[in-house]
Amino acid sequence: GDSVTQMEGPVTLSEEAFLTINCTYTATGYPSLFWYVQYPGEGLQLLLKATKADDKGSNKGFEATYRKETTSFHLEKGSVQVSDSAVYFCALTSGTYKYIFGTGTRLKVLA
Amino acid sequence: NAGVTQTPKFRVLKTGQSMTLLCAQDMNHEYMYWYRQDPGMGLRLIHYSVGEGTTAKGEVPDGYNVSRLKKQNFLLGLESAAPSQTSVYFCASSYRPGGYQETQYFGPGTRLLVL
Repeated sequence: GDSVTQMEGPVTLSEEAFLTINCTYTATGYPSLFWYVQYPGEGLQLLLKATKADDKGSNKGFEATYRKETTSFHLEKGSVQVSDSAVYFCALTSGTYKYIFGTGTRLKVLA
Repeated sequence: NAGVTQTPKFRVLKTGQSMTLLCAQDMNHEYMYWYRQDPGMGLRLIHYSVGEGTTAKGEVPDGYNVSRLKKQNFLLGLESAAPSQTSVYFCASSYRPGGYQETQYFGPGTRLLVL
């Protein structure tokens, strides 16, 4: 079945460092891909999405490119801030009722 | 719009007690979901609904029941709570997967502690 694998955390970075959180997937068909962010004590919020190969999703300085050849959707940000500290989830849907989530990667940014 | 709301925010139960978690959405979404979130396990789907009056089992349905009597509400029931049901419960909704409005929207969560 469909699955999402993302790098285990925690990831600890200094402010202004470059961020990469890896996400790979297996899916039948042509899934849509998502990154969600969860701040402490809150629900998940959509960060960005991409619906077809080579699409780039972007929001708040974060970017991710849908790579069909490597089945990847890595999250990047050029310069992280303390306020980016959160848990990040990669997810996909293949058009059925199901959304498949990774286990989440905790990011901690130090001032 | 309030989006997705959940009631209550936090609850402590004793083993064997029952309770109902309420989820409400005001976006006219067809699909609604209940997940549980446990450390190191990500989100696991308990039950879902593809429309008013319909429900179906997800990955971990045992010990839970659901109802969707109105399109905007999705109730999750625990008939006889067990310590293994200590978790954070999230409700989510979406218009429909696979379409341009497929984004899932999440509620703020309910923290449940079963003693």
